[in-house]
Amino acid sequence: ETGVTQSPTHLIKTRGQQVTLRCSSQSGHNTVSWYQQALGQGPQFIFQYYREEENGRGNFPPRFSGLQFPNYSSELNVNALELDDSALYLCASSPTVNYGYTFGSGTRLTVV
Amino acid sequence: GQNIDQPTEMTATEGAIVQINCTYQTSGFNGLFWYQQHAGEAPTFLSYNVLDGLEEKGRFSSFLSRSKGYSYLLLKELQMKDSASYLCAVMRGGATNKLIFGTGTLLAVQP
Repeated sequence: ETGVTQSPTHLIKTRGQQVTLRCSSQSGHNTVSWYQQALGQGPQFIFQYYREEENGRGNFPPRFSGLQFPNYSSELNVNALELDDSALYLCASSPTVNYGYTFGSGTRLTVV
Repeated sequence: GQNIDQPTEMTATEGAIVQINCTYQTSGFNGLFWYQQHAGEAPTFLSYNVLDGLEEKGRFSSFLSRSKGYSYLLLKELQMKDSASYLCAVMRGGATNKLIFGTGTLLAVQP
């Protein structure tokens, strides 16, 4: 059974650019959540996808958007990057909305 | 609103016992999780409590009191590899079951 995989592992972007982060959920998991973790902080909930539909959103602006595909993999897109977007982005999957999460190892995004 | 508080840092000695406390205030409580996170790595699941009481799993135990909004993680026979950040997270139920995390407790285990 494979776990949650994320790509890329590290990324450097310039302020104003756009970025796409990818996540393959654990086999059998139909729910994917994305979190942003700034240095020294706990993860902050961005949004959740369940069966290809957004199923809840945290306190993040619309320039943070996402997709979930029929195979339950997911993308996080961030437009008009700002310096404060520099963080570890974590993807987590679960078998259903009412269950615990398995986290991927994250994508470290640096905006310069 | 929701608020989760845990100490920022703790230090303990190899072989000893350490207790990491977590207090929370949230609506729609649907369980409390503890995760371990080594620097630059993903959080890994340690424990889950939804009912009051103690859950024991090897060297790790977790306790929950829903009426007090309180949990603790107990680590026994500390090893150097236990040096990590420990995240307390509350599952907030509803249409979206989402984990709300504390800022984490950085535990340093010393020889």
